[in-house]
Amino acid sequence: QKEVEQNSGPLSVPEGAIASLNCTYSDQGSQSFFWYRQYSGKSPELIMFIYSNGDKEDGRFTAQLNKASQYVSLLIRDSQPSDSATYLCAVLYAGNNRKLIWGLGTSLAVNP
Amino acid sequence: NAGVTQTPKFQVLKTGQSMTLQCAQDMNHNSMYWYRQDPGMGLRLIYYSASEGTTDKGEVPNGYNVSRLNKREFSLRLESAAPSQTSVYFCASSEAHSPSGNTIYFGEGSWLTVV
Repeated sequence: QKEVEQNSGPLSVPEGAIASLNCTYSDQGSQSFFWYRQYSGKSPELIMFIYSNGDKEDGRFTAQLNKASQYVSLLIRDSQPSDSATYLCAVLYAGNNRKLIWGLGTSLAVNP
Repeated sequence: NAGVTQTPKFQVLKTGQSMTLQCAQDMNHNSMYWYRQDPGMGLRLIYYSASEGTTDKGEVPNGYNVSRLNKREFSLRLESAAPSQTSVYFCASSEAHSPSGNTIYFGEGSWLTVV
């Protein structure tokens, strides 16, 4: 059973702080890793993806991938109240089906 | 550029009624998906279509059927709605065939209530 685990939260951080969101996965055959943001009542939208070990930065967002330890994280610098949302981690497994497995998400609250 | 468009946005059905959720994408994507999202269960794949002319079951296909009408359109049908099918349904698409191509783009969602 391939799994993607996230702490459900809520994770509460003050405005301007760094929010750190973590995701672990069970299968070493995982290929690509995605972070989506979902506001309440809205559809998920892509923040970024990563498929190589190390860090990938996009504006205030940094994704970190460590395949040896089987975790991927998302850092949000200078957190804003508008970052308050649920963050979904998704992992693409290689193989015939190229199956995308979703975590349940971490709820983030950024307090002014 | 509308992206992924799904209709209707809201629907109330009586148990046993049938309905079809419509979805169209204008990004020339090969793959299309139908998900449902329930509290505490996360996103679950109902059916997907890797390319035009093919459809496959996902995690929770029972009670649903799909049709990939052409490259743009992928519909989801509930033949005999049950209260357990009360959910938010998302249509999505992806280009596929590359790491970035596996990025999934979602429609705005359809809120379905079965009473």
